[in-house]
Parts: sequence; C-alpha cells; structure tokens
Amino acid sequence: AQKITQTQPGMFVQEKEAVTLDCTYDTSDQSYGLFWYKQPSSGEMIFLIYQGSYDEQNATEGRYSLNFQKARKSANLVISASQLGDSAMYFCAMREGDSGNTGKLIFGQGTTLQVKP
Amino acid sequence: NAGVTQTPKFQVLKTGQSMTLQCAQDMNHNSMYWYRQDPGMGLRLIYYSASEGTTDKGEVPNGYNVSRLNKREFSLRLESAAPSQTSVYFCASSDWTGYQETQYFGPGTRLLVL
Repeated sequence: AQKITQTQPGMFVQEKEAVTLDCTYDTSDQSYGLFWYKQPSSGEMIFLIYQGSYDEQNATEGRYSLNFQKARKSANLVISASQLGDSAMYFCAMREGDSGNTGKLIFGQGTTLQVKP
Repeated sequence: NAGVTQTPKFQVLKTGQSMTLQCAQDMNHNSMYWYRQDPGMGLRLIYYSASEGTTDKGEVPNGYNVSRLNKREFSLRLESAAPSQTSVYFCASSDWTGYQETQYFGPGTRLLVL
C-alpha cells in the first residue's frame, strides 16, 4: 500500500537560514507524483511544489526546492533563506496512479516549522 | 477568478442532523475531491470525482454521500451526523498541464458535531 512518512513532528530554524523537511514514500507504482503543501495557522492548504517520478531534475519554485532521491524513495523539501512567514505546518503528499489520471493524494502527518527571528 | 470555493465556512450540528457542504471551482477542472483533516493529522480522501457524472469512494467514505452536480460543483452530504465527523473538510480540484499537475484546495469548512 502507498504510504507517506514525515518523521519530524516539529522543526525550528533561524530566520535567513535554510531548512530541510524530510519525506519518504512507499509505492510500487512506476509513475507517481509528489507534492508539498503549506498550511499556515489560518488553515488553508497552499500548493508549494510538484515532482513527477520521471522528472530527472529536482523541482524548484522560488525559495522552495525538492530534493528527489528516487532510489531512496525520498522527496525532501528544502526552504532557503527562511522567513518568519514560513512558520506553518508542511505536508508531503503523493498522487496515486499515472500522470494525468485522477489525482487522489495520500498525505503524510505533517511537520510543524517554526522560524525564529 | 475565485479558484475553489466552499460553503459554509463553519457549522455546528447536533448528532443525527443532516447537512450538505457545497464546493465549486471555476478553473474548468475535470477532477474534484473531498478530504477531511482531523486535529494534528494529514488530509484523508473521502470521495472523489474524476469527471462530471462519476464519483468514487476514497479512504474514509462511511457516513458520507456526494453529488457531482455539473463540472463546476461537487457537494458532500452528511445524512446523519456523528461526533466522529467533527473535522475540517476540504474540497479540491486538480489540473494536469502535460508536465505538471497541481491540486488546488478550497479554504475549508470547520464542522463541529455535538
């Protein structure tokens, strides 16, 4: 069965430093997608970054990058130059099934990130 | 362009009452989803609709029904609410551009069942 594991319940980082949030996944599918979402205290789910299983390069979106290590089945989120506004819960998720198919997502438990001034 | 909208934002129900959560998207997406998020946990899929006219069960469908009214709207109904259904409910829709997919979420509905 597909599964997403986030082993860090809580993380602290100093403002302006980089931080890595861990995510490992388990699937027998050859084609899958990996997502990271941010959930601030206000509760909305904000899409950050996507990595397809066949993408050879790591995805990047501004200060966010996804360190994709397929053989290790890990998809860590790297936030560079942390800002106070980055304090939030972060969820890793995996899409079941082939690309372009129904995007049912399986979510990890989440990691709470606190950025210290 | 409103994205994904949900109504209501908050709701308090008594055990046994029924209600319908409404969701609409204006992005012309084919696929829509209902998730629930319990405190301190990730989201779990309740039902999804791959296209207009089709619906399928997700991970936690018991106690819920859905209707894909048209391409824009996907509603979630609780026929007889139970305290275990106290949660935050998110509606989402997804898009595939050929090289990237994105799943957009609504703002959520906070439901308390007493």
